[in-house]
Amino acid sequence: EDQVTQSPEALRLQEGESSSLNCSYTVSGLRGLFWYRQDPGKGPEFLFTLYSAGEEKEKERLKATLTKKESFLHITAPKPEDSATYLCAVQAGANTDKLIFGTGTRLQVFP
Amino acid sequence: DTEVTQTPKHLVMGMTNKKSLKCEQHMGHRAMYWYKQKAKKPPELMFVYSYEKLSINESVPSRFSPECPNSSLLNLHLHALQPEDSALYLCASSQLDGAGNIQYFGAGTRLSVL
Repeated sequence: EDQVTQSPEALRLQEGESSSLNCSYTVSGLRGLFWYRQDPGKGPEFLFTLYSAGEEKEKERLKATLTKKESFLHITAPKPEDSATYLCAVQAGANTDKLIFGTGTRLQVFP
Repeated sequence: DTEVTQTPKHLVMGMTNKKSLKCEQHMGHRAMYWYKQKAKKPPELMFVYSYEKLSINESVPSRFSPECPNSSLLNLHLHALQPEDSALYLCASSQLDGAGNIQYFGAGTRLSVL
């Protein structure tokens, strides 16, 4: 069965303290891995998509990487406005309509 | 522009009411989705429309009835809901280009069933 697991469940960082969020997956035939940011009471905001092992994407303080078993979202020198829930999702197999979501990492960045 | 617009933002309804949620996109996307999200949980897929035809129904109770009048609009008709149906309802859309379809989400409708 296709599965996506995110860790840690929650992360508290001091402003400027860099860290990484993990998304491990077990799927048959990865078509794409997606990172979203979600603020409370809002819809998920698309951040990155990665398609093959070794691929990396960057946006401001965020960098996403992909291996054959997991993806990392690296946050460099975070600011309080980076506080949010970060969701990882995969598309796999022949069905590219379905996103399989992890349970998310709740990030809090304190000044 | 990657905007998906959902209305209303908030909805309170009784268990005997009939209401509708609306979703609109003008990105030329040919797939549209309804998700349900409970607090501190990831979104759960409910329905998928591809080229205006229902392609996925994730065993959703019949008190939820989706409708896709055209390629830009998606509705979710609600009738005789239960308090446990209270949640954030999210609409999303994507292209259908085969590689890895990026789904863009709306801001959601916060539904409370009394």
